[in-house]
Amino acid sequence: DAGVTQSPTHLIKTRGQHVTLRCSPISGHKSVSWYQQVLGQGPQFIFQYYEKEERGRGNFPDRFSARQFPNYSSELNVNALLLGDSALYLCASSWGVPDRGTYEQYFGPGTRLTVT
Amino acid sequence: AQKVTQAQTEISVVEKEDVTLDCVYETRDTTYYLFWYKQPPSGELVFLIRRNSFDEQNEISGRYSWNFQKSTSSFNFTITASQVVDSAVYFCALSEGWESGANSKLTFGKGITLSVRP
Repeated sequence: DAGVTQSPTHLIKTRGQHVTLRCSPISGHKSVSWYQQVLGQGPQFIFQYYEKEERGRGNFPDRFSARQFPNYSSELNVNALLLGDSALYLCASSWGVPDRGTYEQYFGPGTRLTVT
Repeated sequence: AQKVTQAQTEISVVEKEDVTLDCVYETRDTTYYLFWYKQPPSGELVFLIRRNSFDEQNEISGRYSWNFQKSTSSFNFTITASQVVDSAVYFCALSEGWESGANSKLTFGKGITLSVRP
């Protein structure tokens, strides 16, 4: 079975622009989470979606938004890009219901975003 | 608030040496989950283990072993007879359980860069 897939793999944008990152979870997984990993740091939680509903949001500004589609794939949108948004954006999928225990989250290869 | 501390930032060993990666966590929940992930240079996080707060048994999987001690809030990871392929960044992560709400976000430490020299 295919793992978590993300597109694109690399992206270069200019300050002020908008970006959309995409994620397809492992088949059968209904929960998708997004994380931001700045160079030299651990991943930071941005959002979690389950069954198309937002189940959690990390400490990120409103410029960050996301949604989950009926096929459980997800998009992360970032508006008005800043230099500080340059990072590896990781998507993770999980089988379980978020509020009924924690299941393993399987990560995709990430999208490396560079803002110039 | 939950917090994970990985005090070691970089470790370098020679192949076949044993190495232990330390992880200390903080949480107010009684139900929580601890994880270790490996991040090779390719960037993808690879799941290694999940352990819940009620199971303090140590676990061994091949050359990997984990020591969970609630009394010291630690969840340490030992690689026995290290190999060059073990070179990567290793992250410890914590997820709080049912008491803390309706999502299962992971809180990661800053990671430990392990270099295994031939």
